[in-house]
Amino acid sequence: DSGVTQTPKHLITATGQRVTLRCSPRSGDLSVYWYQQSLDQGLQFLIQYYNGEERAKGNILERFSAQQFPDLHSELNLSSLELGDSALYFCASSPGKFTEAFFGQGTRLTVV
Amino acid sequence: GENVEQHPSTLSVQEGDSAVIKCTYSDSASNYFPWYKQELGKRPQLIIDIRSNVGEKKDQRIAVTLNKTAKHFSLHITETQPEDSAVYFCAARSVGNNDMRFGAGTRLTVKP
Repeated sequence: DSGVTQTPKHLITATGQRVTLRCSPRSGDLSVYWYQQSLDQGLQFLIQYYNGEERAKGNILERFSAQQFPDLHSELNLSSLELGDSALYFCASSPGKFTEAFFGQGTRLTVV
Repeated sequence: GENVEQHPSTLSVQEGDSAVIKCTYSDSASNYFPWYKQELGKRPQLIIDIRSNVGEKKDQRIAVTLNKTAKHFSLHITETQPEDSAVYFCAARSVGNNDMRFGAGTRLTVKP
């Protein structure tokens, strides 16, 4: 157990819908990263937050947004869902900017 | 932003042989290089990392080397075992961008 908690573990929803994925980082970790992993693909960097502020942005679609709350948990919002959004969504947390990152178990999103 | 390339995409070795996976990065400001192992359906797990102030790091059968001049780093696994079979990802973190970009992954198969 990495200490990073993601909910829900599985999510099935229809095209056009909106979902929210939640990530609770390890206690004391200030940085949260979000990644998308499509079937048998690599880890695509979406966005990073540090202590509540957005710090880096990757290939995140405009239909997707995220935020990190004062208690340091983070949420990834996916809207107007398409079939191609089906993937594993991972979050990772780290104590600071230049330290190791630990992954949650992921949320498997299936869009039907 | 940072671009990380990883080779080979698949690697098959006999049990007991060594395995080497190579990555190159584009951003000379990158200073942190972790390696993750991902078993089927599970989260990526950090197995070893190296910072830019050292050229080599070893942990039992696993070692990582870094060549800052050439902007490449490698993972070396000696005396491979069937349980080493997994997908391995390299990553690089840039001081400037602060994000963490991953290579496309290498699927390692160790044949008994």
